Amino acid sequence: EVQLVESGGGLVQPGGSLRLSCAASGFTVSGNYMSWVRQGPGKGLEWVSVIYSDGSKYYADSVKGRFTISRDNSKNTLYLQMSSLRVEDTAVYYCARDRPYTSGWYVGYWGQGTLVTVSS
Amino acid sequence: DIQMAQSPSSLSASVGDRVSITCRASQDISNSLAWFQQKPGKAPKSLIYAASSLQSGVPSKFRGSGSGTDFTLTISSLQPEDFATYYCQQYNSYPLTFGGGTKVEIK
Repeated sequence: EVQLVESGGGLVQPGGSLRLSCAASGFTVSGNYMSWVRQGPGKGLEWVSVIYSDGSKYYADSVKGRFTISRDNSKNTLYLQMSSLRVEDTAVYYCARDRPYTSGWYVGYWGQGTLVTVSS
Repeated sequence: DIQMAQSPSSLSASVGDRVSITCRASQDISNSLAWFQQKPGKAPKSLIYAASSLQSGVPSKFRGSGSGTDFTLTISSLQPEDFATYYCQQYNSYPLTFGGGTKVEIK
């Protein structure tokens, strides 16, 4: 069974840093496309970043240069290193895994989310 | 970036009703569209991929259609557990983008 468990959220001051973790079970992080998606309070969903099985990475413009996605294959864990945090980064951050099909892939599995609050 | 215009932003319906939600992409995305359901305080749940394919375990009351730029999610015979917010998402190109959501409420 695919399971994704996020951790590392909390309260941080503007300009600060935080690292989110997503512990995976039931599959290997290194063999799948892993994403982070966030949702601000009372707002819609916003895609943040993805890391491919070959290590390629893509980011939303809003976080490019400030956030870094990575994984630790030995721990089967996905990370999101967030720096230079802004008030507008306040959100629930979801870890997600791809679900491949014959002609592509889509975000098919979701974690329960971890809340990041950026405030002074 | 591809913009996803989802409508309506909210709707009220009764148990047993059929409802439709539309999503329009700002450019051709072929059939690279997914639909998600989200209940308050919960993670999104995947319903539909490739515009019209049902994720395994999702009841057939959910139906997706469309291709190119215009897409529709239809939910037949609404039940209490279907009242939630629904999002479309294009995955044709980066950045992946979501529609603004449609909140389906009980009339």
